[in-house]
Formats: sequence, structure tokens, C-alpha cells
Amino acid sequence: GQNIDQPTEMTATEGAIVQINCTYQTSGFNGLFWYQQHAGEAPTFLSYNVLDGLEEKGRFSSFLSRSKGYSYLLLKELQMKDSASYLCAFMDSNYQLIWGAGTKLIIKP
Amino acid sequence: GAVVSQHPSWVICKSGTSVKIECRSLDFQATTMFWYRQFPKQSLMLMATSNEGSKATYEQGVEKDKFLINHASLTLSTLTVTSAHPEDSSFYICSARRGGSDTEAFFGQGTRLTVV
Repeated sequence: GQNIDQPTEMTATEGAIVQINCTYQTSGFNGLFWYQQHAGEAPTFLSYNVLDGLEEKGRFSSFLSRSKGYSYLLLKELQMKDSASYLCAFMDSNYQLIWGAGTKLIIKP
Repeated sequence: GAVVSQHPSWVICKSGTSVKIECRSLDFQATTMFWYRQFPKQSLMLMATSNEGSKATYEQGVEKDKFLINHASLTLSTLTVTSAHPEDSSFYICSARRGGSDTEAFFGQGTRLTVV
């Protein structure tokens, strides 16, 4: 079967670093996505990993280990505007996205 | 980057009426479009997948006669909520892919539907 799991909520301090984990199980895999979603808005694309390793893009980095079915999104130098939900999703063999429930990130001053 | 425009952003309608939501890819041809609904504090739930020129594939539990999807061109897909009821009130989001092995999906802005 297929499933994907991420923490429901995390809290971090402005200026700090936070890592949001995502684990998944699937027989067919075509990459893993991270999206940011502010309340009442559509998701916006953050990253895509299809090979193992770390992809860095400014303050955000994403890591993938296909053998472990594991990914994380790393946010550095946290800003208040980073308060949002972060959704991980993997693409299955039919190129369909399977979504996690999202991690609500709360940033405190 | 690729832009997907969804219209309207929000709509309020009376129970029993129908509402049409449009999803347009502005600067690319979208072979495949996806329609999602999202309830408060929940993740995206895929409703249906539509490929240009063919009938949409609906997810289990989604009534195809109630949620009519048309993908008549490579740049436009529409979702019509027929005979809307208050329980249909939700956030509806479309996304579009170029197709083939092009994996990235681009999202519309979403439509907040309130049925009164």
C-alpha cells in the first residue's frame, strides 16, 4: 500500500533552524515534493527531490533517502512569515501526487 | 515559471444552484489537470484527474454527476459543482502538469466556495 506521514505541528523560534520530517511507503516512486501553504491560500512549490541527497535553495533545503523512505525539509534563519503549513507529497508510478496531512509550523518571536 | 490561474477566488451561492470554477494554464499547455478540495486544517484531497480531450477519472467517493469536470483544451479545465449544498462548502484547488515525465504540478490560487 501507500502512505505518507509527517508531524501535525511544530514550534520554533525566529532566527532558529527547524527540520520537518516526512516518511513514506510506496512501491512506485517518481520523486518527493515539499509545498508551503499559508492559511486560505493554495500551496506554493518549495522543492523536488528524485535522487538521494540534499538540495539547497536559499534558506530552505530538502533531503531525500529513497532506501529509507524518508525526507526532510530544513528551514534556516526562520522568519515570522515562515509560519505556515508544510506539505510533503510523493509522486507514485502513475505520476499522481500522494499528499501528507501537512505540518503546521508556528514561529515564535 | 508556469502560471495557473483559477477563477473565481471566492464565491457564495445559494443551496441548490450550480457553480463553475475555471482553471487556466496561462503560459504552458497542461496535458493533465487535477482538482482538489481541502477542508479546514486538513490536507489536499484529490477529487479527480482530467486529461485533455478525455473523461475525467474520479477518486473513490467523489460523485461524478455532482462534480462535473471538463478539460476541453490544453489550457482550460472547469469544475462545476451542481446542486450545491452547504456541505460542499470548501476550498477547491486545481493544479496542472505539462504531462509525460514532467513531474512538477503548478497550482491555481484556489476557490473558496460557501454555500448558504
